[in-house]
Amino acid sequence: QVQLQESGPGLVKPSQTLSLTCTVSGGSISSGSYYWSWIRQPAGKGLEWIGRIYTSGSTNYNPSLKSRVTISVDTSKNQFSLKLSSVTAADTAVYYCARSRRPGGYYFDYWGQGTLVTVSS
Amino acid sequence: QSALTQPASVSGSPGQSITISCTGTSSDVGGYNYVSWYQQHPGKAPKLMIYDVSKRPSGVSNRFSGSKSGNTASLTISGLQAEDEADYYCCSYAGSSTYVFGTGTKVTVL
Repeated sequence: QVQLQESGPGLVKPSQTLSLTCTVSGGSISSGSYYWSWIRQPAGKGLEWIGRIYTSGSTNYNPSLKSRVTISVDTSKNQFSLKLSSVTAADTAVYYCARSRRPGGYYFDYWGQGTLVTVSS
Repeated sequence: QSALTQPASVSGSPGQSITISCTGTSSDVGGYNYVSWYQQHPGKAPKLMIYDVSKRPSGVSNRFSGSKSGNTASLTISGLQAEDEADYYCCSYAGSSTYVFGTGTKVTVL
């Protein structure tokens, strides 16, 4: 059974860069059969897809966040990461990592438990 | 890319059926048969309930069903149970390898 676990600082100052890591267990991130995504949810609000990465390093981003987002993968650690630059209070949210199948898996079948990131000075 | 539109809340009595709508555009919901639905209990991660408009993952009750007509997808919960009380989100592939979620619907079991 695959498991995903987010980790990273819970507090980030405005204008700085938010950095999170998702560790995958119970399966290899480099199996080639999956995409790995980041999704966020501000308190009391809906879900927002941030972007995804494939093992090769190929990425796709939400157009509304593209200029500030970088997703990378470290196959040696079975991890993938999110960096969001120039954060503001509007970036305060629970951040989830999730998996989708490749090819043809246009849905997210496994999710991490989520980690709360607060942007505040 | 705008969020898909869902009703803020839907309620029903135990045993009843309810339907949650998810309205998008021809660029997302209407353009692809790739709508998925997620159930989220408070403080928990979302759980996949329906994918590819109407397919159920293994382990999901057959009380949950999905459909689509034009730019609107729907999730129906039949035989409503107390454990179904949660937030529900639709999600659609939006082309160019991107996804868009719905605004979310709070389901209350009366």
